[in-house]
Amino acid sequence: DAGVIQSPRHEVTEMGQEVTLRCKPISGHDYLFWYRQTMMRGLELLIYFNNNVPIDDSGMPEDRFSAKMPNASFSTLKIQPSEPRDSAVYFCASSHWYDRGWNEQFFGPGTRLTVL
Amino acid sequence: AQTVTQSQPEMSVQEAETVTLSCTYDTSESDYYLFWYKQPPSRQMILVIRQEAYKQQNATENRFSVNFQKAAKSFSLKISDSQLGDAAMYFCAYRTAGRQGGSEKLVFGKGTKLTVNP
Repeated sequence: DAGVIQSPRHEVTEMGQEVTLRCKPISGHDYLFWYRQTMMRGLELLIYFNNNVPIDDSGMPEDRFSAKMPNASFSTLKIQPSEPRDSAVYFCASSHWYDRGWNEQFFGPGTRLTVL
Repeated sequence: AQTVTQSQPEMSVQEAETVTLSCTYDTSESDYYLFWYKQPPSRQMILVIRQEAYKQQNATENRFSVNFQKAAKSFSLKISDSQLGDAAMYFCAYRTAGRQGGSEKLVFGKGTKLTVNP
């Protein structure tokens, strides 16, 4: 398996522009997570999906952020309009539910976003 | 809400020696999982070791072992025979255990940067 795939790996944009980050989870996984990593706040969960349905979006910072999962093999995280404080590494992760299992989350390589 | 605290922002160790990274957490739950993740400069998050709260026996994976003290809410990571490739950020993480539909959220500590000196 190729693991969790994220694109782009790096994104540089100007303030006010729309940014779309993409994620392909591991085939067969039924959970998908979006995390953000910054020096100040560390790793924080933004939103996660179960069977394509958003379960917990309490970490989404504000209305400028939106996430979708139109099918089991694709998810997007969109920022519109982007601001310099959105600069961070964004990780996508996926996992499969096992009863009493570890349900290990497998992380993608991350997208480094820089907003100028 | 659960919190995870790593009190050592940075640690260093000599190659071939042993180092222990600290982690404490706060929760009112009795059933949960604890994890240590490694993030090398490539920034890929790699699971190092995991522990189920209901198991008293400490988890071990080759040179990595944990000291899990449930009453003290402590979960430290010991790295034996340190290697240059162990240099990375190490994150402690917590997740509620249990039923499908329950929270799958991972709560991370702020991390410890480990340097391995040759």
